[in-house]
Amino acid sequence: QVQLQQWGAGLLKPSETLSLTCAVYAGSFSGYFWSWIRQPPGKGLEWIGDINHSGSTNYNPSLKGRVTISVDTSKNHFSLKLTSVTAADTAVYYCARVGGYYLIDNWGQGTLVPVSS
Amino acid sequence: DIQMTQSPSSLSASVGDRVTITCRASQSISSYLNWYQQKPGKAPNLLIYGASTLQSGVPSRFSGSGSGTDFTLTISSLQPEDFATYYCQQGYSAPTTFGQGTKLEIK
Repeated sequence: QVQLQQWGAGLLKPSETLSLTCAVYAGSFSGYFWSWIRQPPGKGLEWIGDINHSGSTNYNPSLKGRVTISVDTSKNHFSLKLTSVTAADTAVYYCARVGGYYLIDNWGQGTLVPVSS
Repeated sequence: DIQMTQSPSSLSASVGDRVTITCRASQSISSYLNWYQQKPGKAPNLLIYGASTLQSGVPSRFSGSGSGTDFTLTISSLQPEDFATYYCQQGYSAPTTFGQGTKLEIK
């Protein structure tokens, strides 16, 4: 049973960089895309981007070049960096595994990242 | 981006009721439609993928149908643990997008 465990800094100030990492346990790292998704408090889900084991990435254009997703296959980790955060980036951030149909069948526990001065 | 619109946004129902939630895509997405259930403070849980295929371990009272632009999620007989928020998601083209959610509450 695949498990995703994520960690990273909590409270941020505007203009800082959000950094999160997700570890994948007990499952194949290759053959899937690995995604970051966020959910502002009380709101819906927004896809941020994804990466595969080869490092091929896709990003949501709405984040206008502020996002970088990277992978460390030696540790079965993948990471998210989001620069120049504002209060609008306050959300629970999830890492997740993506399969065919772009189904998301495994999720991390989520990390609340508030952005406030 | 493909816009996903769910209806209703909220719904009150009783245990044992049959419930249907609708999801409409702004353009055809074939059968690239997935449904999730989310409970407060938890990550979403995949229920159905490919519009109608039940994810392993999901009770058979959940079913999905549709193709093209119009899709439905049906719960045949509501159980207490089904009161949650439900999201549809299209996987047809990047960026993948989600509906705004349907909150299912106890009447």
